[in-house]
Amino acid sequence: EIVMTQSPATLSASPGEGATLSCRASQTVSSNVAWYQQKPGQAPRLLMYNTSTRATGFPARFSGSGSGTEFTLTISSLQSEDFAVYFCQQYYNWPPKYTFGQGTKLEIK
Amino acid sequence: QVQLQESGPGLVNPSETLSLTCSVSGGSVSSYFWSWIRQPPGKGLEWIGYIIYSGTTNYNPSLESRVTMSIDTSKNQFSLKLTSVTAADTAVYYCARHRAGPNDSLVWGKGTTVTVSS
Repeated sequence: EIVMTQSPATLSASPGEGATLSCRASQTVSSNVAWYQQKPGQAPRLLMYNTSTRATGFPARFSGSGSGTEFTLTISSLQSEDFAVYFCQQYYNWPPKYTFGQGTKLEIK
Repeated sequence: QVQLQESGPGLVNPSETLSLTCSVSGGSVSSYFWSWIRQPPGKGLEWIGYIIYSGTTNYNPSLESRVTMSIDTSKNQFSLKLTSVTAADTAVYYCARHRAGPNDSLVWGKGTTVTVSS
């Protein structure tokens, strides 16, 4: 099983600041990584796929990078609506056996 | 835009079978791959498995012995059955559409909470 490890578990930041969230895979997953945003009481929402392609509805302040085993989600200037939990997911295996990171909680400092 | 809605009992007795249905609107269940994922309270996400319109399935090996997925193209919905449930199966259960292909990111339904308790 491919283990996805996110860091940090909690990130405290202020509106207007930037934030960098990390996700590491236990083996290569090429660029087959997605990021999801989850707010309290809501379902995860697809934010980024194929490492760096933004999903519909997310602004350009969100960007993704990486390949192989190291991936990063960067938010350039935090807005109040960005404070949430972020999960990474790999979809590299065939047949699929999707695994998720444990999440990074982005909280207001 | 494809919308997903999970439905089913919110409370299941231990050792019984959890049954959930995902109704698809705004698109055809024959057009995509479909997954189930769950999230225990305060914990992370666990992928349960996927199904396609032909009925072909692929399950998480950790749950494979207890999981059955099915699809009903006439009703435009698909279903999950999980047998011999315990308290560890208490979770929010989500159905999701694979974004474009069989091995892809996911677009999620709202989720439904299932509690296993007597």
